[in-house]
Amino acid sequence: AQKVTQAQTEISVVEKEDVTLDCVYETRDTTYYLFWYKQPPSGELVFLIRRNSFDEQNEISGRYSWNFQKSTSSFNFTITASQVVDSAVYFCALSVAGGTSYGKLTFGQGTILTVHP
Amino acid sequence: KAGVTQTPRYLIKTRGQQVTLSCSPISGHRSVSWYQQTPGQGLQFLFEYFSETQRNKGNFPGRFSGRQFSNSRSEMNVSTLELGDSALYLCASSPGLSTYNEQFFGPGTRLTVL
Repeated sequence: AQKVTQAQTEISVVEKEDVTLDCVYETRDTTYYLFWYKQPPSGELVFLIRRNSFDEQNEISGRYSWNFQKSTSSFNFTITASQVVDSAVYFCALSVAGGTSYGKLTFGQGTILTVHP
Repeated sequence: KAGVTQTPRYLIKTRGQQVTLSCSPISGHRSVSWYQQTPGQGLQFLFEYFSETQRNKGNFPGRFSGRQFSNSRSEMNVSTLELGDSALYLCASSPGLSTYNEQFFGPGTRLTVL
């Protein structure tokens, strides 16, 4: 079975601060995929990034960056110079390869990020 | 390209009734997954359909069912509603050829059971 843990339930920062959202995952599968989604107040989950288990290269996209470390089973997400528009719930998710896993994402409990002006 | 659409956006039902929710995936996507989101349990996978066949199912009672049509549109049905079924129901679509594919979510249907 797969499990995703986001230990931070809520984070509150002031605009322009950097913030890191933690994600730890568990799986016995050797091929798996990790995702981050953002859920603004409107409710729709917005895809941010995907990583596969064979690619530990970190990625930067504008103010967003992701740090994937297989040794610690972590896939952390950093927002640099946060903005009020970043306020949302952020979910880390995991899927594994294989026929019994089609269409299934296992989500963490989410981290509520509030950025104050 | 139009995104994933879900109808209705809000529903209020009473215990014992049944409800049908609809999801139209992104054009060309053949996989539709359904999730239930509640404050207590978070996001939980219900089931997934691909080319009109259920390929995967989560740990929900048989009151929760679904189907997919030849145009990839999907419906989910909940019979004999219980108070605990109050939730945001999200559907997501993907090309469906691999579990590698990211899923694109609709805005959800907010179901309230009284």
